Amino acid sequence: EDKVVQSPLSLVVHEGDTVTLNCSYEVTNFRSLLWYKQEKKAPTFLFMLTSSGIEKKSGRLSSILDKKELFSILNITATQTGDSAIYLCAVGKNSGGSNYKLTFGKGTLLTVNP
Amino acid sequence: KAGVTQTPRYLIKTRGQQVTLSCSPISGHRSVSWYQQTPGQGLQFLFEYFSETQRNKGNFPGRFSGRQFSNSRSEMNVSTLELGDSALYLCASSLDTGYGTGELFFGEGSRLTVL
Repeated sequence: EDKVVQSPLSLVVHEGDTVTLNCSYEVTNFRSLLWYKQEKKAPTFLFMLTSSGIEKKSGRLSSILDKKELFSILNITATQTGDSAIYLCAVGKNSGGSNYKLTFGKGTLLTVNP
Repeated sequence: KAGVTQTPRYLIKTRGQQVTLSCSPISGHRSVSWYQQTPGQGLQFLFEYFSETQRNKGNFPGRFSGRQFSNSRSEMNVSTLELGDSALYLCASSLDTGYGTGELFFGEGSRLTVL
């Protein structure tokens, strides 16, 4: 059975802190790893990673994938209150033919206090 | 460009009833996936439709079903509701589920409460 495990499950920090969120996985036929941010209702896309060791960066957020050790991290530097959200990790796999299936972790709830 | 639209946004049902939720994907997107989100289990995959065919299915009982129409709009149905079905049901669309980007665009969800 495919597994995606995120840690920590929740985290409280102060504005300006740097945080690292973790995602480990056990998935056959790995295709990609995605990060989403969910503030209120609809998760929004952050990054997709397919290759080991190549950092993806967007402003204060960055992410990297290690396909040998089967994990990814999401870093947020100089956190702001607007970063408070649930961060979801999802792993995509080929599930037969041209099918592609995503398995989500339970998410990390990040709270940034002023 | 309009996003993914889900209706209704909120609904309350009682045990034993059935419910139908609707999802209109982004124009041009042919893949629609459904997820159930609860605080304890996170996002759990229900099923995915592509060109009116169910392509993938999660580990949910047969009370959960879905379909997709020729215009890519999708509905999911839950029959004989149980208290544990209370959740946020999220629909997501994408251009392709094959060897595409895999990026999903989510709707804001339908919040179902079963009493």
